Amino acid sequence: DTGVSQDPRHKITKRGQNVTFRCDPISEHNRLYWYRQTLGQGPEFLTYFQNEAQLEKSRLLSDRFSAERPKGSFSTLEIQRTEQGDSAMYLCASSLPRDVYTEAFFGQGTRLTVV
Amino acid sequence: GQQLNQSPQSMFIQEGEDVSMNCTSSSIFNTWLWYKQEPGEGPVLLIALYKAGELTSNGRLTAQFGITRKDSFLNISASIPSDVGIYFCAGLPLPGNQFYFGTGTSLTVIP
Repeated sequence: DTGVSQDPRHKITKRGQNVTFRCDPISEHNRLYWYRQTLGQGPEFLTYFQNEAQLEKSRLLSDRFSAERPKGSFSTLEIQRTEQGDSAMYLCASSLPRDVYTEAFFGQGTRLTVV
Repeated sequence: GQQLNQSPQSMFIQEGEDVSMNCTSSSIFNTWLWYKQEPGEGPVLLIALYKAGELTSNGRLTAQFGITRKDSFLNISASIPSDVGIYFCAGLPLPGNQFYFGTGTSLTVIP
């Protein structure tokens, strides 16, 4: 397995446009997380899936943000009507179920720049 | 949300020196993870800790799960230039599903 994969690695978009990012987790991991990281800060939690169910969302996740994991495998994060403040690194992570030793593995991230 | 305080914020050391950093929380965590991140990349998992008092090594890296369950420590022995990066701690509370991250320790190794 090649680990968590994110696509694209970089995205430049004009303010007001919609963008969508994709995350492919490690194949046997049923837990998937989205985080956002701005320069000089640690990653901040956005949302969490267990299989296809979105079980937790941060207050950071405004109504312009939506995440899906339709078949419990890959996930997408969409940002509508992007704003300059959305510029950040968007990170995806996956892990095994909680009752197994929980280690979260991250992808390489998608760097979003809103101009 | 839960706050994790990491210290020091940055370190500038000579190659060959040992490094110590720590992470403290106002809440109890059930799991502590330590990551290294390089510019433009995602965090890479270094060490995972699951029990209070646990001491775990990964090569030159050693991490400890604090007895109070509110802190964790990372040591790097005999630093080398490729140790350069930002080190993050992350904690998972019980109950809870999200990992909370520290603010990071930036490490610079001078050859």
